[in-house]
Amino acid sequence: QVQLQQWGAGLLKPSETLSLTCAVYGGSFSGYYWSWIRQPPGKGLEWIGEINHSGSTNYNPSLKSRVTISVDTSKNQFSLKLSSVTAADTAVYYCARVGYSYGLEYYYYMDVWGKGTTVTVSS
Amino acid sequence: SSELTQDPAVSVALGQTVRITCQGDSLRSYYASWYQQKPGQAPVLVIYGKNNRPSGIPDRFSGSSSGNTASLTITGAQAEDEADYYCNSRDSSGNPSVVFGGGTKLTVL
Repeated sequence: QVQLQQWGAGLLKPSETLSLTCAVYGGSFSGYYWSWIRQPPGKGLEWIGEINHSGSTNYNPSLKSRVTISVDTSKNQFSLKLSSVTAADTAVYYCARVGYSYGLEYYYYMDVWGKGTTVTVSS
Repeated sequence: SSELTQDPAVSVALGQTVRITCQGDSLRSYYASWYQQKPGQAPVLVIYGKNNRPSGIPDRFSGSSSGNTASLTITGAQAEDEADYYCNSRDSSGNPSVVFGGGTKLTVL
């Protein structure tokens, strides 16, 4: 059974860079996209971006200028960096495995999630 | 980019049937996926594709779609179904992005 374990700094000052890593255990790493999602306190889910094992990425246009997602296939890990953080970046950050179909039916889903990391930006 | 619209809150009597909807242009191209989130927990996938349930999801959860609207139906709602529900799909506007609905708070009375 696939499990995602995530970690990273939980308290940042404005203008610093957020850095989180997600490790994949118990399943295949290649053949999937791997995604980051965040949820500000009391609000809904926001997609940040995704990466596959080859390093191909897609980003949320609203965050693209500040986001870098990278992959380390030797460790079955992928990472998120978000630069120049502000209080608006305070959120629970989740990593997730992406499944999709672009064949007879088109769909996209996230079927395995990490437990989440709370990141607070405060001076 | 596309947007997905959900009603902020819905309520259902215990044991009754409730439908949670999600509207958006991307749903004309993509089936929605649905997630259940309880307080302090990560989201859990409950429906994906035309009407697929991951292992462990009760069969009282089902999905359907028509035009630009996707629906999650809970037939015989249980107290443990009280949660926030989010829909999600790939953006179909040509941007390789992903969108979530704003979420629906389901209350089981």
